[in-house]
Amino acid sequence: DTAVSQTPKYLVTQMGNDKSIKCEQNLGHDTMYWYKQDSKKFLKIMFSYNNKELIINETVPNRFSPKSPDKAHLNLHINSLELGDSAVYFCASSQAGQDLQHFGDGTRLSIL
Amino acid sequence: SQKIEQNSEALNIQEGKTATLTCNYTNYSPAYLQWYRQDPGRGPVFLLLIRENEKEKRKERLKVTFDTTLKQSLFHITASQPADSATYLCALAAGSSNTGKLIFGQGTTLQVKP
Repeated sequence: DTAVSQTPKYLVTQMGNDKSIKCEQNLGHDTMYWYKQDSKKFLKIMFSYNNKELIINETVPNRFSPKSPDKAHLNLHINSLELGDSAVYFCASSQAGQDLQHFGDGTRLSIL
Repeated sequence: SQKIEQNSEALNIQEGKTATLTCNYTNYSPAYLQWYRQDPGRGPVFLLLIRENEKEKRKERLKVTFDTTLKQSLFHITASQPADSATYLCALAAGSSNTGKLIFGQGTTLQVKP
């Protein structure tokens, strides 16, 4: 069983479009994260939710909006996509009191 | 400014040797440090966590050290195997406690040759 799953795995779209990436975890964790990994492989935190409440919001353009309908899901919606948004986006989860994070396999977003 | 650096982008070693990867940081006082493994096309996988009051942690062929005076962690893989070839990321706990916020290094890609 996949612990942290993201869909889609690949996303190719035109500049200016709006797209969403979905993430689900079946580990019973109460905290979920979105990271961006750029072409230089740096993995940077974007957002974190704990029990559906936003707790980390890094300096991310407001075109990016996370949504957590319940603690097992954290989706990422991106408006007006730009070339610089091309990257691999990773979802992760962790349990309060345990510091390690479980990552999904990423969504590779390519903007044409 | 706060900075995390892993000593090299790539490391090539012969099978059976010990691989040593370095993670240095400045302007942080992390409560703990973690090491992850990332294979191509996959997400990072947690390997080891070491806390600020611990000097060393071991797990099978893996060993991590943490020197808060030098602001450095060393990650060792003994008796390396070609299957150990991957990118290894260090990550520091940052920000206030219990947020789970991690700051990652840029990674070191290890290639173990048979």
